[in-house]
Amino acid sequence: GENVEQHPSTLSVQEGDSAVIKCTYSDSASNYFPWYKQELGKRPQLIIDIRSNVGEKKDQRIAVTLNKTAKHFSLHITETQPEDSAVYFCAASIRGFQKLVFGTGTRLLVSP
Amino acid sequence: NAGVTQTPKFQVLKTGQSMTLQCAQDMNHEYMSWYRQDPGMGLRLIHYSVGAGITDQGEVPNGYNVSRSTTEDFPLRLLSAAPSQTSVYFCASSFVPPGRGSYEQYFGPGTRLTVT
Repeated sequence: GENVEQHPSTLSVQEGDSAVIKCTYSDSASNYFPWYKQELGKRPQLIIDIRSNVGEKKDQRIAVTLNKTAKHFSLHITETQPEDSAVYFCAASIRGFQKLVFGTGTRLLVSP
Repeated sequence: NAGVTQTPKFQVLKTGQSMTLQCAQDMNHEYMSWYRQDPGMGLRLIHYSVGAGITDQGEVPNGYNVSRSTTEDFPLRLLSAAPSQTSVYFCASSFVPPGRGSYEQYFGPGTRLTVT
């Protein structure tokens, strides 16, 4: 079936460093790729998304890149801060827009 | 707006019991969905609905039923609870299904369910 693979499962960085999380997807018809941040005990919240007709999107310190040919997309966080510590999930739309499939998550720890 | 609300926040069931998790949204969203979240497995789609009267199965539908009689409500029913259904359940909604535009999918606060 359709799936989304996400790496790494955990990522530790020092404050001020950059962090990169990578995802690959299997459905060539996927056209929407959101990223969610989930703090401990809280609900997931959208931080950025990208559609398949765009190669890159940036919002302040976060950016997402998409390579449709290779079927992978990445989240880039620059100048990381301790409050960026959370679990990040990527997702891809599947089967004609009807649903999302999520990656297994990356726990990001930013140390002061 | 209250956004997406879920009740209860916590629930403990015995094996074989049935119950309904409630989900409601006041944003007039057409698309609603239920996910379960287990450690190391991300969010997995149980059922979803693209509008009142229309539901479909996600990745892990077995043991769960849904209905969508109104735009606002999307309850999830556990027919006969099993320990494997111990999880955190999230309801989510958005204006349109994922992919039809960059519309955020809003999540509810979650229900933590334990089946003993």
